[in-house]
Amino acid sequence: GAVVSQHPSRVICKSGTSVKIECRSLDFQATTMFWYRQFPKQSLMLMATSNEGSKATYEQGVEKDKFLINHASLTLSTLTVTSAHPEDSSFYICSARERANEQFFGPGTRLTVL
Amino acid sequence: GENVEQHPSTLSVQEGDSAVIKCTYSDSASNYFPWYKQELGKGPQLIIDIRSNVGEKKDQRIAVTLNKTAKHFSLHITETQPEDSAVYFCAASPPKAAGNKLTFGGGTRVLVKP
Repeated sequence: GAVVSQHPSRVICKSGTSVKIECRSLDFQATTMFWYRQFPKQSLMLMATSNEGSKATYEQGVEKDKFLINHASLTLSTLTVTSAHPEDSSFYICSARERANEQFFGPGTRLTVL
Repeated sequence: GENVEQHPSTLSVQEGDSAVIKCTYSDSASNYFPWYKQELGKGPQLIIDIRSNVGEKKDQRIAVTLNKTAKHFSLHITETQPEDSAVYFCAASPPKAAGNKLTFGGGTRVLVKP
């Protein structure tokens, strides 16, 4: 099946630093990738849609200057949390779309901001 | 936009019994309905999906039914096993032309007691 990887799996950083999370589709090309955020015991909240070679589309209420997304190739999208603060601590998950609708998810990245 | 409601939020069953999770959606244009299983600390895993031109789909112990008229779909797990314990999410997605974004239900925490 389609495999999506994320790196790192967990990161702890100090307040004010920036953190980059990578999302890779390992065995297929993904023209579209999605970034989600998940708080404990809650559902997934879509943050943005990342299209290869174009600017990401952000959901309402998501600060595009804080959550920078780059989708430079058909197998890699990155999410950079800029000037992270404790309220940015969360579980960040990416997904990649293989065919018409199917999305395959990465294993997630646990971000803790001290 | 799309709104997906999922019930119940928690479900406890005895090993060997069946589990049923129900979801309703609001957007009649949605035509793709996946189900995901999420284990603690991991990303969601696609377990089964159904498209609007099909009423039922089965894969071993898992089945999904779709009623487009009533705008609801259900996940059925038969002969439950302890390893089925996880959080299950339903989702709905409109056609590709409308953005293909998944809208998730709130999740169902399933506990299978041995």
